[in-house]
Amino acid sequence: QLLLQESGPGLVKPSETLSLACTVSGGSISDSTYYWVWIRQPPGKGLEWIGSIHYSGNTHYNPSLKSRVSISVDTSKSHFSLRLSSMTAADTAVYYCARHPYGSGRNWFDPWGQGTLVTVSS
Amino acid sequence: DIQMTQSPSSLSASVGDRVTITCRASQSISNYLNWYQQKPGKAPKLLIYAASSLRSGFPSRFSGSGSGTDFTLTISSLQPEDFATYYCQQSYNTQYTFGQGTKLEIK
Repeated sequence: QLLLQESGPGLVKPSETLSLACTVSGGSISDSTYYWVWIRQPPGKGLEWIGSIHYSGNTHYNPSLKSRVSISVDTSKSHFSLRLSSMTAADTAVYYCARHPYGSGRNWFDPWGQGTLVTVSS
Repeated sequence: DIQMTQSPSSLSASVGDRVTITCRASQSISNYLNWYQQKPGKAPKLLIYAASSLRSGFPSRFSGSGSGTDFTLTISSLQPEDFATYYCQQSYNTQYTFGQGTKLEIK
């Protein structure tokens, strides 16, 4: 059974850079048939896709966040990471990692990690 | 990007009711539409993929249909564990977008 677990700070100061990691267990992060994903959800609001990465390093980013976001993968540690710079209160959210199949139109997110709440405050 | 609009935003219903939630895309997305169920304090779970395929582990009272721009999620007979928020998501292109969600509440 594939499990994903987010880790990182729960509190970030305004203007700082958020760094989160997602550890993959029960499956291979190097499986070429999947992308690895970050999604976020502000408190009481809906879901926003942040970006996706393939183990080869190929990435796709949400255009609204592209200038601030970087996603990387470390196959030796079986984890992938999110960096989001210039954080503001609007970036306060639960951040989820997930997986999606690699293939035209087949990009549904399953499974998801449990999520980690990141609050931006001084 | 492709905008996804769900209706209604919230819905009150009773156990045993038949419920339909609608999702509309701003352009044709073929059948590249997925549905998720989210319960309070929990991560979303994939419910329906490719518009009409039921994810294993979910009961057959859940069904999805549609293609092009208009899609529906139907619960044939609501059970207490179905009260949750439901989201649609398009996977037509790699700029994935979600609907705003439909909160299903107990009447």
